[in-house]
Amino acid sequence: DQQVKQNSPSLSVQEGRISILNCDYTNSMFDYFLWYKKYPAEGPTFLISISSIKDKNEDGRFTVFLNKSAKHLSLHIVPSQPGDSAVYFCAARRNSGNTPLVFGKGTRLSVIA
Amino acid sequence: GAVVSQHPSWVICKSGTSVKIECRSLDFQATTMFWYRQFPKQSLMLMATSNEGSKATYEQGVEKDKFLINHASLTLSTLTVTSAHPEDSSFYICSARYSGPRSYNEQFFGPGTRLTVL
Repeated sequence: DQQVKQNSPSLSVQEGRISILNCDYTNSMFDYFLWYKKYPAEGPTFLISISSIKDKNEDGRFTVFLNKSAKHLSLHIVPSQPGDSAVYFCAARRNSGNTPLVFGKGTRLSVIA
Repeated sequence: GAVVSQHPSWVICKSGTSVKIECRSLDFQATTMFWYRQFPKQSLMLMATSNEGSKATYEQGVEKDKFLINHASLTLSTLTVTSAHPEDSSFYICSARYSGPRSYNEQFFGPGTRLTVL
């Protein structure tokens, strides 16, 4: 049972344009969401997060939007740069207790110069 | 930011041997560490949750006798793959949870260990 879903395995965007990565979740108990960026043969690095009490969080070129009623979140990167090319994982968990992160399958973003 | 290291970064072993992977939180104390496995083009799958000083909690389908986890201190957890077989070949990633004041970015990942079993 995939609790966190990233339905697009890959995305290609031209440099300078906006990249939008989507993520859906099924567990209504999740109240904290994160995006991680991962290069091959490396561990994930934290990018941005959002708590369920917010619907938007912005950090530089990265913005995460949360739609709780739709159980959907998205990561916007603007403007996209070639160095953004990586696999992006959406993750979620309950922000209480000692619960682990649940990851989606990832979306491979390619930013074309 | 907090740093988590893993050693070795890659290992090749013969089928039937055991391999130990170390995960260390270098500049913070981690009461909880998580071990994940990633197959090519797949997501990070949680294998087990390890709490310092107690037995690890394994996810369904993960053999605890095959994947031995020890979390002896607040900065070190080890994963031992016993009697490794080619199907155990994977990318193993540990994650450490910061045990200080609660902050949103509190789970930090190591760089991963590539295990290849011949």
